[in-house]
Amino acid sequence: GAVVSQHPSWVICKSGTSVKIECRSLDFQATTMFWYRQFPKQSLMLMATSNEGSKATYEQGVEKDKFLINHASLTLSTLTVTSAHPEDSSFYICSASPGTGDGRNEQYFGPGTRLTVT
Amino acid sequence: GENVEQHPSTLSVQEGDSAVIKCTYSDSASNYFPWYKQELGKRPQLIIDIRSNVGEKKDQRIAVTLNKTAKHFSLHITETQPEDSAVYFCAARWNSNSGYALNFGKGTSLLVTP
Repeated sequence: GAVVSQHPSWVICKSGTSVKIECRSLDFQATTMFWYRQFPKQSLMLMATSNEGSKATYEQGVEKDKFLINHASLTLSTLTVTSAHPEDSSFYICSASPGTGDGRNEQYFGPGTRLTVT
Repeated sequence: GENVEQHPSTLSVQEGDSAVIKCTYSDSASNYFPWYKQELGKRPQLIIDIRSNVGEKKDQRIAVTLNKTAKHFSLHITETQPEDSAVYFCAARWNSNSGYALNFGKGTSLLVTP
């Protein structure tokens, strides 16, 4: 149980284009999904938190107009990197949580998306 | 916000020995502390977690201890095997602007040599 998928697993795009990454919880409903960014040999940095049906909350320093997040259902969240630039190249990982507050705290991670902007 | 410090950054042990990774956190309100294992190019996998009302939890060769007073928690791996080689991340759950989020330590690269 607790499987999270992410698509695509890797993508190469040209500078200035937009890329959409999908995160799906396959066997549970995720009230909350998180988007992280991970640089090589570094830790996971939280970018934003999305709750189904509401606007995402972004961490300090993350441009909400550049990283558009949509959490349209309890099993799907999308991250769109708009007008991508080479510095946006990174490993993007989503996670999904079955509960909020003091409920179920576990976060289950997707396999990640390797984005390369040329 | 929550600040999680993790040590050591790298750890090399011989097969069969024990490995210990330590983390400290800053927010006394944090109440959930998971540990993740990440192999190269793969997703982080939850291996064990502990809540603040428990001092110790064990699952086969893996155990986690929590000292709320000192605000530190540790991962213990006994009888290490080469397949335990990976990067391990500790995390603490805190109440951020976006709700209940995890703040991760910088990771420990564990190498188990045969």
